[in-house]
Amino acid sequence: GENVEQHPSTLSVQEGDSAVIKCTYSDSASNYFPWYKQELGKRPQLIIDIRSNVGEKKDQRIAVTLNKTAKHFSLHITETQPEDSAVYFCAASNIGNEKLTFGTGTRLTIIP
Amino acid sequence: GAVVSQHPSWVICKSGTSVKIECRSLDFQATTMFWYRQFPKQSLMLMATSNEGSKATYEQGVEKDKFLINHASLTLSTLTVTSAHPEDSSFYICSATFLDTIYFGEGSWLTVV
Repeated sequence: GENVEQHPSTLSVQEGDSAVIKCTYSDSASNYFPWYKQELGKRPQLIIDIRSNVGEKKDQRIAVTLNKTAKHFSLHITETQPEDSAVYFCAASNIGNEKLTFGTGTRLTIIP
Repeated sequence: GAVVSQHPSWVICKSGTSVKIECRSLDFQATTMFWYRQFPKQSLMLMATSNEGSKATYEQGVEKDKFLINHASLTLSTLTVTSAHPEDSSFYICSATFLDTIYFGEGSWLTVV
């Protein structure tokens, strides 16, 4: 089955700086890679996703890159703000079967 | 947009009792739903795939007789934790897909005392 690794487990950055979280996956059949932000005790909130037919996607301060050959994808957050502090999870799925394999999570702390 | 609703949001039960959690797709039909479990400070782990009208598919290591899943209609899947023990205390969350978008329920906190 799919295995998703995520690094780092914790990340602290100064407000205004950029944050990068990286994930690798093992199953070449995976073709959908979402990133979630999760507040304590709440459902994961989709912040951006990418499908395997593109290499990069951007939405304002958030971007995701995908390297299918190397089987890794990354989340980039620019101009970080205190409200970006949360736990972030990457995930991988074959959109045909819909089930997600999650990374281990990154606790991002933005230092004012 | 599509909504997946979960109930209850939190539940406390005594050891040895059973507790049922419901997952509903409110404005679309879902032939497949997924149940995840998340222990504190850990990631979400898929427990099982709930299939409408047929048996659920369980992930390796998940006891099917302990975590009973029923998907009797196109909008409702239920997860019953039987003979609950303190180690079953966790955040349980379901998901369903509509138009290639995955929607999560609000999640259910289970505490077994």
